[in-house]
Amino acid sequence: NAGVMQNPRHLVRRRGQEARLRCSPMKGHSHVYWYRQLPEEGLKFMVYLQKENIIDESGMPKERFSAEFPKEGPSILRIQQVVRGDSAAYFCASSRRQGGEQPQHFGDGTRLSIL
Amino acid sequence: GDSVTQMEGPVTLSEEAFLTINCTYTATGYPSLFWYVQYPGEGLQLLLKATKADDKGSNKGFEATYRKETTSFHLEKGSVQVSDSAVYFCALSAQAGGTSYGKLTFGQGTILTVHP
Repeated sequence: NAGVMQNPRHLVRRRGQEARLRCSPMKGHSHVYWYRQLPEEGLKFMVYLQKENIIDESGMPKERFSAEFPKEGPSILRIQQVVRGDSAAYFCASSRRQGGEQPQHFGDGTRLSIL
Repeated sequence: GDSVTQMEGPVTLSEEAFLTINCTYTATGYPSLFWYVQYPGEGLQLLLKATKADDKGSNKGFEATYRKETTSFHLEKGSVQVSDSAVYFCALSAQAGGTSYGKLTFGQGTILTVHP
């Protein structure tokens, strides 16, 4: 069974460009979470999606950031007009069902660097 | 809101030493508690979990007990190995009905280095 797949592993963008991060959840998982890890910090929740629905986006910056999880294909985290402060590791996690007891399975992350 | 506080790191130990990493939390009701481990350049891997008071999670020689009275979930291992060197994260997930339901709230992480 393939785990959570994220790509690309590393992404370099210049200020003002767009960054698109992809996440394919584990087979059979329909719940996707995105987290951001700034250097030497813990992970911070950004957004929680189910297929075609955003359930909780309370951790997403109000501007430039968006996320989707279409009926077909991977979940996408999009960052428009990137700035230096967006440099971080972005992790996707998936679970089979919603719920506090459900463990979330993480991908290896996308490390975004802004020049 | 929910929060998790871990002991400050980094922690440096010799092989076969006893390990404790403290974790306390603030949450309403009965959250589920987790320890995740992150090796360099990789994502987080679930190490163990506990979903109700007095539950003990265990895996690979690591243990943690859900203490409701002290709101703690300290990680312990009796004899660490060099291969245990990693970053350890304590996390909680709120119970159903809470505003944080489904998402994980993490501590800041503790870097563990084990020397031969």
